[in-house]
Amino acid sequence: RKEVEQDPGPFNVPEGATVAFNCTYSNSASQSFFWYRQDCRKEPKLLMSVYSSGNEDGRFTAQLNRASQYISLLIRDSKLSDSATYLCVVPYNTDKLIFGTGTRLQVFP
Amino acid sequence: NAGVTQTPKFQVLKTGQSMTLQCAQDMNHNSMYWYRQDPGMGLRLIYYSASEGTTDKGEVPNGYNVSRLNKREFSLRLESAAPSQTSVYFCASKWSGSNQPQHFGDGTRLSIL
Repeated sequence: RKEVEQDPGPFNVPEGATVAFNCTYSNSASQSFFWYRQDCRKEPKLLMSVYSSGNEDGRFTAQLNRASQYISLLIRDSKLSDSATYLCVVPYNTDKLIFGTGTRLQVFP
Repeated sequence: NAGVTQTPKFQVLKTGQSMTLQCAQDMNHNSMYWYRQDPGMGLRLIYYSASEGTTDKGEVPNGYNVSRLNKREFSLRLESAAPSQTSVYFCASKWSGSNQPQHFGDGTRLSIL
């Protein structure tokens, strides 16, 4: 299994839809996880940190399933501005983070 | 509120030329990183520095060298640029600890002809 795996998409959804992405990881010792957002030709930006079973921030919810070694990102009431690539990130050790290749989301009117 | 600053933003080189990409952070972070990102691909780690005075190879170090000049600055050098090194280069920094996220600069777009 790859260290971090994501479905590349694209996920094409209408405005207002709810969409969810999954990310699987291989390092069972990982305790914390991150979701980043990357717009086309821009730098990745931290969207959410996930330290325990999950985290919620407005329309965004991240959940962690340690038994199955996956984390998910749920976006409710999708906006056009949510169109981006979402990167799943898993720590390899205290210094290195492993980035997934990303899931592309396209929200259409 | 600078965060991570990369210079230059854009650069065009000829094959065989050398150049240094500069990165500085003002968040007092211990660890700094250099990544490259090619179209349709994820971030690939070139080198990183867990603390001042240390550097380690990532997954694609060949053709690059780095210097951790001090706690704030981490530079990436291409000694003899090749077309395969055309890419977008991102610098990042973070606190030590597996629960700490990375913060990225806005990238250097490098084209090698």
